[in-house]
Amino acid sequence: DADVTQTPRNRITKTGKRIMLECSQTKGHDRMYWYRQDPGLGLRLIYYSFDVKDINKGEISDGYSVSRQAQAKFSLSLESAIPNQTALYFCATSDLTRQEQFFGPGTRLTVL
Amino acid sequence: EDQVTQSPEALRLQEGESSSLNCSYTVSGLRGLFWYRQDPGKGPEFLFTLYSAGEEKEKERLKATLTKKESFLHITAPKPEDSATYLCAVRGSQGNLIFGKGTKLSVKP
Repeated sequence: DADVTQTPRNRITKTGKRIMLECSQTKGHDRMYWYRQDPGLGLRLIYYSFDVKDINKGEISDGYSVSRQAQAKFSLSLESAIPNQTALYFCATSDLTRQEQFFGPGTRLTVL
Repeated sequence: EDQVTQSPEALRLQEGESSSLNCSYTVSGLRGLFWYRQDPGKGPEFLFTLYSAGEEKEKERLKATLTKKESFLHITAPKPEDSATYLCAVRGSQGNLIFGKGTKLSVKP
């Protein structure tokens, strides 16, 4: 079974709709992250959380919000989706002692 | 400002033709440099972490090296299954990773 899972894997929605992307992990890591990936722009950090009570904005947080429901769960919401939020979204986790992050399989989001 | 630049953007090799990918970085105090492999439509897969100049790590046909300003990912006698995008990242001051845009490697049989 995958250590980091994301749901849904693909989503097509319309402008103005509210969307939630979910991430779950079984690695026991405290730290969780949300990134988006666009062609030519690479991976950019949206939000990150170092524990359940700690939420931090990343490079491109405008238009997004997050919720850390438990150590193992971190959700990303688009309150009112717009077409330029069409992208691949990745969740990642890491622990306190090792720096490397482990990524989920991604969610392909299309906003029409 | 922390920054990571990878070159070339794309690299085409024949099977068995060794080469290197470059990652130049600017960061105030290196707290780790990371290499990832990403296949199309999938999440990045962790390869290596390097912490100090002179450090080297190896895995199969891949070898990562680090200097004070850049890192190299050397690919020895590549095979078609090594085709992927290779991403370099540094750990930023807030604990997040700052990624380069990647090098897309294609290895032809």
